[in-house]
Amino acid sequence: DGGITQSPKYLFRKEGQNVTLSCEQNLNHDAMYWYRQDPGQGLRLIYYSQIVNDFQKGDIAEGYSVSREKKESFPLTVTSAQKNPTAFYLCASSINRDRVTEAFFGQGTRLTVV
Amino acid sequence: GQQLNQSPQSMFIQEGEDVSMNCTSSSIFNTWLWYKQDPGEGPVLLIALYKAGELTSNGRLTAQFGITRKDSFLNISASIPSDVGIYFCAGQLDRGSTLGRLYFGRGTQLTVWP
Repeated sequence: DGGITQSPKYLFRKEGQNVTLSCEQNLNHDAMYWYRQDPGQGLRLIYYSQIVNDFQKGDIAEGYSVSREKKESFPLTVTSAQKNPTAFYLCASSINRDRVTEAFFGQGTRLTVV
Repeated sequence: GQQLNQSPQSMFIQEGEDVSMNCTSSSIFNTWLWYKQDPGEGPVLLIALYKAGELTSNGRLTAQFGITRKDSFLNISASIPSDVGIYFCAGQLDRGSTLGRLYFGRGTQLTVWP
């Protein structure tokens, strides 16, 4: 089945450690996105990538890093520089052609830093 | 970043009632999307709108792209318990924005009493 897979579903890390969240899609979408969701908040864009080997910062990129070495994969690293990393992280992808910009989401990773 | 004002923030209704929620912006958008999110899951796309004045239905859901291109609404008719969740609007700016760069409202939390 085509879709977006995020792993793991739940992640616990100690403060000061870097952690990498996985996102893989087999929809053949060009664009991929990482959002952060906090209770009562909308989705805030961390990073996005329109094409392989290229990515741009979103609204809250500080303390995060990404790579886009393959079309299917867009991993997010939460570094120790991120001051408040505990959150629900959502990955999405979209085709972004002919003005079609519908984003499809993975199931999310809940990161808890203790 | 862009602010999308989504209202109401929460709704408590009885099964069978109709529901209406809306999203407004100070900027012109060329795309409006409506998503539903169940607890602990990623948002699922409900309806996509690409033209001012467009009215689109998906089962008991109806959404419209406002004529001013600065607003959109979502109606749910004859609500049922499985409609419970958070509903998000999202939009893409008409100008000065990367294709696929979506802005999200803060969500409407819907609770349906049997």
